[in-house]
Amino acid sequence: NAGVTQTPKFQVLKTGQSMTLQCAQDMNHEYMSWYRQDPGMGLRLIHYSVGAGITDQGEVPNGYNVSRSTTEDFPLRLLSAAPSQTSVYFCASSTYSNSPLHFGNGTRLTVT
Amino acid sequence: KQEVTQIPAALSVPEGENLVLNCSFTDSAIYNLQWFRQDPGKGLTSLLLIQSSQREQTSGRLNASLDKSSGRSTLYIAASQPGDSATYLCAVYSNYQLIWGAGTKLIIKP
Repeated sequence: NAGVTQTPKFQVLKTGQSMTLQCAQDMNHEYMSWYRQDPGMGLRLIHYSVGAGITDQGEVPNGYNVSRSTTEDFPLRLLSAAPSQTSVYFCASSTYSNSPLHFGNGTRLTVT
Repeated sequence: KQEVTQIPAALSVPEGENLVLNCSFTDSAIYNLQWFRQDPGKGLTSLLLIQSSQREQTSGRLNASLDKSSGRSTLYIAASQPGDSATYLCAVYSNYQLIWGAGTKLIIKP
């Protein structure tokens, strides 16, 4: 049972480059979300989705786009990478927004 | 604005000890509170979820309590083992969002 799968595990970008972080879940969860985790800080919500075709902004959405065309997939796009976006990114899913979250193993992104 | 604090940021104890991790929040209007474990280089694993109407939840050697009136939750770990070494995070579900603490890094010394 795969759970939540994130790719890639590691990525290095130059300032200004764009890329997409992939997230897929096989648990038929309606709720999916993206977080970033920075040293000494709690997780911060970037974007979330309560179902296919529905997305909304979290606490720190600037510089990121998302879409939810299927229940399974929730990709995160960095439009023009900046050093401030260096972080570890986690995708998570759950049955509902207030249910226990299931996390992927994260993507460590470095922007130079 | 809801804020979640976990103190201490790090804790080191000998194997076999019982220990308590603390989580405090500023707004008592929460829907639930969750405790997670994070191992290095890994994602987070949900340990316990306490609904706002509950006072505690138990899973094996773990017991989480919730006191909304004082804005506090504790995670009690009985008979600690080296395998319990990890970072423990709490998060409160409030205003349709999960608000996270920064975590407590726990080291259990053999």
